[in-house]
Amino acid sequence: DAGVIQSPRHEVTEMGQEVTLRCKPISGHNSLFWYRQTMMRGLELLIYFNNNVPIDDSGMPEDRFSAKMPNASFSTLKIQPSEPRDSAVYFCASSLRTGFGKLFFGSGTQLSVL
Amino acid sequence: AQTVTQSQPEMSVQEAETVTLSCTYDTSESDYYLFWYKQPPSRQMILVIRQEAYKQQNATENRFSVNFQKAAKSFSLKISDSQLGDAAMYFCAYRGGNQFYFGTGTSLTVIP
Repeated sequence: DAGVIQSPRHEVTEMGQEVTLRCKPISGHNSLFWYRQTMMRGLELLIYFNNNVPIDDSGMPEDRFSAKMPNASFSTLKIQPSEPRDSAVYFCASSLRTGFGKLFFGSGTQLSVL
Repeated sequence: AQTVTQSQPEMSVQEAETVTLSCTYDTSESDYYLFWYKQPPSRQMILVIRQEAYKQQNATENRFSVNFQKAAKSFSLKISDSQLGDAAMYFCAYRGGNQFYFGTGTSLTVIP
């Protein structure tokens, strides 16, 4: 199993530009999570999906952030327009919804907004 | 809402010694799971150990063990025979239902 795959690994962009982060969860996992990690705020849950349906997006900072999961094997997190304060590491993670499922993390996307 | 508290932002340990990282959590649920994740400088999040709340026996994984005190809502991680490769940020996490909650992390330094 390839694990959770995120792309890109690094993204540098200018303020005002659109940024799209991508995630492929582990095959068979039915829950997907997007986290943001900063020094100041630690790991913050942005949104999570069960069976491709967004369940809780209360962590999404503002309307500039949106996430989609069109099918069980792909999700995107979009920031439009991006701002310097969005600079962070963004993690995607997946798990099985039931049982003792642990959270499997991708390697993260380091986003820098100049 | 569930909260996870790690009161030690930084810890250090001499190589080959033992260190304990603290974690407390707040919940009204009776069925849940607890985890410790390690994040080395590579930033990859790696599961270290996990515990089911209904199990009284403390989980162990080689040099890593936990002290799970359900009534006190405490879940500490003990690392024995510390190695240089143990240097990392350690996160305590709680899973209730399908929600995961993370503490703010403890940065562990291993001194040669």
